[in-house]
Amino acid sequence: GESVGLHLPTLSVQEGDNSIINCAYSNSASDYFIWYKQESGKGPQFIIDIRSNMDKRQGQRVTVLLNKTVKHLSLQIAATQPGDSAVYFCAEKPAGSARQLTFGSGTQLTVLP
Amino acid sequence: DVKVTQSSRYLVKRTGEKVFLECVQDMDHENMFWYRQDPGLGLRLIYFSYDVKMKEKGDIPEGYSVSREKKERFSLILESASTNQTSMYLCASSYRTLKDTGELFFGEGSRLTVL
Repeated sequence: GESVGLHLPTLSVQEGDNSIINCAYSNSASDYFIWYKQESGKGPQFIIDIRSNMDKRQGQRVTVLLNKTVKHLSLQIAATQPGDSAVYFCAEKPAGSARQLTFGSGTQLTVLP
Repeated sequence: DVKVTQSSRYLVKRTGEKVFLECVQDMDHENMFWYRQDPGLGLRLIYFSYDVKMKEKGDIPEGYSVSREKKERFSLILESASTNQTSMYLCASSYRTLKDTGELFFGEGSRLTVL
């Protein structure tokens, strides 16, 4: 029979524009969050992290925003480049959890020339 | 740089075969993990280990076992492969203690197809 797969959310942006990738997390007790980038054919790579006692953290061309009230995390990429095309995952760690990180399903970012 | 190496990038096995996926890390990390990745489902934790000979079940351990005889090596075993185990398998390691996740370093993945 035919199998139906789940589709990743997608985001397409023009090269040079800013990108915003959103993530809703599930556990209000989570105390640590990470964004990963996964390029085609490769394993995920760490981009930036944030602890729950912060609401914003900046890296090189990336900013993570955390809104604990609505359990929302976002990743902003400034001046998006072709090399930013990838799948982006958010991950959360519940406080006191022995099971490490819980990952979201990911967002496919495509940078248009 | 941290390197996590998975022994096989692509494997094709038949239903019922025993499958070994090997993972080696070179940074003396205490923690090692096996995830599977399926489209639209993200990464799901199968097993993890925070020390030699120690293992803990993740969210989807059924049909899998693991072995950690040496600190640098963490093996995932499918005792009798089934078609629903066709997936991308990712190994990861981290140098933090169990209570403080820290950054995970991933291998490049092993894509397993079970016919």
